[in-house]
Amino acid sequence: AQSVAQPEDQVNVAEGNPLTVKCTYSVSGNPYLFWYVQYPNRGLQFLLKYITGDNLVKGSYGFEAEFNKSQTSFHLKKPSALVSDSALYFCAVRSPGGTASKLTFGTGTRLQVTL
Amino acid sequence: DSGVTQTPKHLITATGQRVTLRCSPRSGDLSVYWYQQSLDQGLQFLIQYYNGEERAKGNILERFSAQQFPDLHSELNLSSLELGDSALYFCASSAGTTQETQYFGPGTRLLVL
Repeated sequence: AQSVAQPEDQVNVAEGNPLTVKCTYSVSGNPYLFWYVQYPNRGLQFLLKYITGDNLVKGSYGFEAEFNKSQTSFHLKKPSALVSDSALYFCAVRSPGGTASKLTFGTGTRLQVTL
Repeated sequence: DSGVTQTPKHLITATGQRVTLRCSPRSGDLSVYWYQQSLDQGLQFLIQYYNGEERAKGNILERFSAQQFPDLHSELNLSSLELGDSALYFCASSAGTTQETQYFGPGTRLLVL
């Protein structure tokens, strides 16, 4: 069974500082990893994904994530946080194979960026 | 805007009732997924359809059913509703291969009173 852990319920960071939102995963085989963001009363917006290749993945709004196979992690990062980045962030994993491809989500991490 | 549309946006109903949630995938996407988001369960996968056929099932209750029509839109039917069914229901779509990103609709917020 595949699973995702987001160990922090909330991350607080000052605007302009770097941010990291942590994610670890468990899956059989090579993982497909995703980050989504959810703003209040909105759906999930896709940020970035890792399928294969370079371990550093760049995504929307200046976000990037680093895939670390040995640590089974896929942490989300941004060099300089903005107040508008405040939202709920979800890490998700999918195991490869066929066309049955459900996403398993973590519990979410609330990012609070303050001035 | 993801290109995935869901109707209605909000739904208020009573226990024991039946409701239907509708989803239109992005143009060209063959896979439709349904997810439930609740405070206690988080985001949970319910069911996937691919080109009209059920492809995968998750934690979907027997009271719930879904289908995907020839025009690829999908409906999620929830019956004998209970208070605990109150949640946000998301539809997502993808082209269909495993590497494809799932794009989510804005969701339907269901409140069962």
